[in-house]
Amino acid sequence: EVLLVESGGGLVQPGGSLRLSCAAFGFDYSNAWMHWVRQAPGKGLVWVSHINSDGSTTTYADSVKGRFTISRDNAKNTLYLQMNSLRAEDTAVYYCARDKSYAMAVWGQGTTVTVSS
Amino acid sequence: QSALTQPPSASGSPGQSVTISCTGTSRDIGAFNYISWYQQYPGKAPKLIISEVSNRPSGVTARFSGSKSGNTASLTVSGLQAEDEADYYCASFVDYDSWLIGGGTKLTVL
Repeated sequence: EVLLVESGGGLVQPGGSLRLSCAAFGFDYSNAWMHWVRQAPGKGLVWVSHINSDGSTTTYADSVKGRFTISRDNAKNTLYLQMNSLRAEDTAVYYCARDKSYAMAVWGQGTTVTVSS
Repeated sequence: QSALTQPPSASGSPGQSVTISCTGTSRDIGAFNYISWYQQYPGKAPKLIISEVSNRPSGVTARFSGSKSGNTASLTVSGLQAEDEADYYCASFVDYDSWLIGGGTKLTVL
C-alpha cells in the first residue's frame, strides 16, 4: 500500500523554526518527485514546495522562498521541510504528496503547524 | 504567483450535472496540459480525481470528467450523488517547476 506519514508539527513562536518529516512507504521513493502543500484553517490548499527525485532541483512558492528548505533522504525514504523565521500566516496543516504526471497523486494525512506566542 | 480562479460555490440536485471552472493565464493553464483536480472532505486529506486535464486515476468514478479550453479548465460531475458534496480544487503546473492551486469550490448537493 502506498502511504505517506507526516510528523514534526506543533506549536512554535513567531520567528522560530520547525522541521517536518514525511515517511514514504509502498512505492519507489527514490524515483519520485515530491511536494509540500499547506492549508490554513478554513482556507484553501496552497502549493509550498517541490523536489525532484535526486534532490538536485527544488522550487518554492514566493511566500516561503528564503525561509523554507525542502530536502530528502532517499536512503531513509523520507522527505523534509525545514521551516525558519516562522510567521503567524504559516499556521496550517502541512501535507506531503507524491507527484505523478505533474499531479499530487498520493497525499499524507497532514501535520499541523501553529505559529503563535 | 496568484492562485487559479474558481467559483467559491456550486450546487446541483441529485442526478444533475455540475461544471466547476478554473481560470488561469497563458503561463499556466494555457501553456501546459498538466491540469489536475482534487476532492477534499472536511478534515480529510485531498484526493486526486483528475490528472493531465482529463485522465482519471484508477478507482475514480467515471462521473468525474475534465476538460480545458484556452486558459480555463473545467471539472464536470455527472449524475450528482450526495457523496459528491465536498470541496474541489484545481491545480496547474507553471513554468520553472512550480505549481498553482485554485482557491477551491464548495460543491453542495441540494
